[in-house]
Amino acid sequence: EPEVTQTPSHQVTQMGQEVILRCVPISNHLYFYWYRQILGQKVEFLVSFYNNEISEKSEIFDDQFSVERPDGSNFTLKIRSTKLEDSAMYFCASSVDNNYGYTFGSGTRLTVV
Amino acid sequence: AQSVSQHNHHVILSEAASLELGCNYSYGGTVNLFWYVQYPGQHLQLLLKYFSGDPLVKGIKGFEAEFIKSKFSFNLRKPSVQWSDTAEYFCAVNRGDYKLSFGAGTTVTVRA
Repeated sequence: EPEVTQTPSHQVTQMGQEVILRCVPISNHLYFYWYRQILGQKVEFLVSFYNNEISEKSEIFDDQFSVERPDGSNFTLKIRSTKLEDSAMYFCASSVDNNYGYTFGSGTRLTVV
Repeated sequence: AQSVSQHNHHVILSEAASLELGCNYSYGGTVNLFWYVQYPGQHLQLLLKYFSGDPLVKGIKGFEAEFIKSKFSFNLRKPSVQWSDTAEYFCAVNRGDYKLSFGAGTTVTVRA
């Protein structure tokens, strides 16, 4: 069964540092997403990406965040200057269309110290 | 505010017991409905989804859910749980836009 792959599985970074979280979506999917889950809280939408541009973003997704599809396979989330409150599990997801049903990756646990 | 509500925060039950998890949403109009499961240390997996048609949908691992439009509900059920069903369960709603809105999740603990 096709999978969404995320790397690394766990990243520890110092406050103020830049981090890049990487995702390889399923190859024939066209829509890509990032969600996050702060420990003990609900899964929150961050951003969706289609046709090489952001299609929707939440209020969480401020100027510190950016997404990119640098080549035909990777989909990245960059946080320019991490804050303690950015510590969370970040999930990448992809889908064939925008409401078919998403396939999630296993997540990257980001810890900002 | 528009939201997805899951009624139970933590459910504890014994093997072979029946399970029902409640989910209500407050969006008007057409919605697509999902239940995801997250086993300990693993990623979110799709259990089942409803887009249209028969409001009783069957998913993987013996789960089913019923969409009741008049009640804005999409409750998840399983007639007989197993220890391996211990996990966190998330209801999610898509309104035809680009995102899923998740409920807070229900932790299910099945005792052997």
